[in-house]
Amino acid sequence: QVQLVESGGGVVQPGGSLRLSCVASGFTFSDYGMHWVRQAPGRGLEWMAVISFDGTTKHYPDSVKGRFTISRDNSQNTLYVEMMSLRPEDTAVYFCAKDPCRRTSCYTYFDHWGQGTLVTVSS
Amino acid sequence: EIVMTQSPGTLSVSPGERATLSCRASQRVSSNLAWYQQKPGQAPRLLIYDTFTRATGIPARFSGRGSGTEFTLTISSLQSEDFAVYFCQQYNNWPRTFGQGTKVEIE
Repeated sequence: QVQLVESGGGVVQPGGSLRLSCVASGFTFSDYGMHWVRQAPGRGLEWMAVISFDGTTKHYPDSVKGRFTISRDNSQNTLYVEMMSLRPEDTAVYFCAKDPCRRTSCYTYFDHWGQGTLVTVSS
Repeated sequence: EIVMTQSPGTLSVSPGERATLSCRASQRVSSNLAWYQQKPGQAPRLLIYDTFTRATGIPARFSGRGSGTEFTLTISSLQSEDFAVYFCQQYNNWPRTFGQGTKVEIE
């Protein structure tokens, strides 16, 4: 079965950086686009980034463009997000999520999710 | 950015009763809409995509309908495991956006 396991969360000071990882199993990782979605404490969901199955295409919302970088290592079945210039409003649980479309660029909904990793930005 | 607005914020329902949740988009999203269920401390789970298609393993008591800007999720007979928060999400435009959620609680 599909498993996504995030790691790398923690407490970071404002202006700091952090890299999150998501290890995938149970499916052919290199065939699917992957996303990061975050959820601030007690709040709703916010889509953060997507990367194509081959890593050549990436999209971000304006709220993180230029600060967050999504990447992947298909040889290690691992998805990453590098977060820089972190702000208190970036405090959230960060989920990785799988795109449903195999080897195409649909970037639609999220058919499997990890359990998330908490990032706290605070001095 | 397309704003997704869900109503009501909280829905109090007795087990066995029907629950109808609404989701409105600020612009037309065609049929590019999904619904998720989230329980406390858990990741969201995909319920419905393409407005009305149930995801793998989702019981038939969950149904979706709508198009354009108005969508509904209906749970025909609430079971104890259905009490949770439900989110809608559009994937017609960038950025992908979610509603703020509807909490379904036991009356």
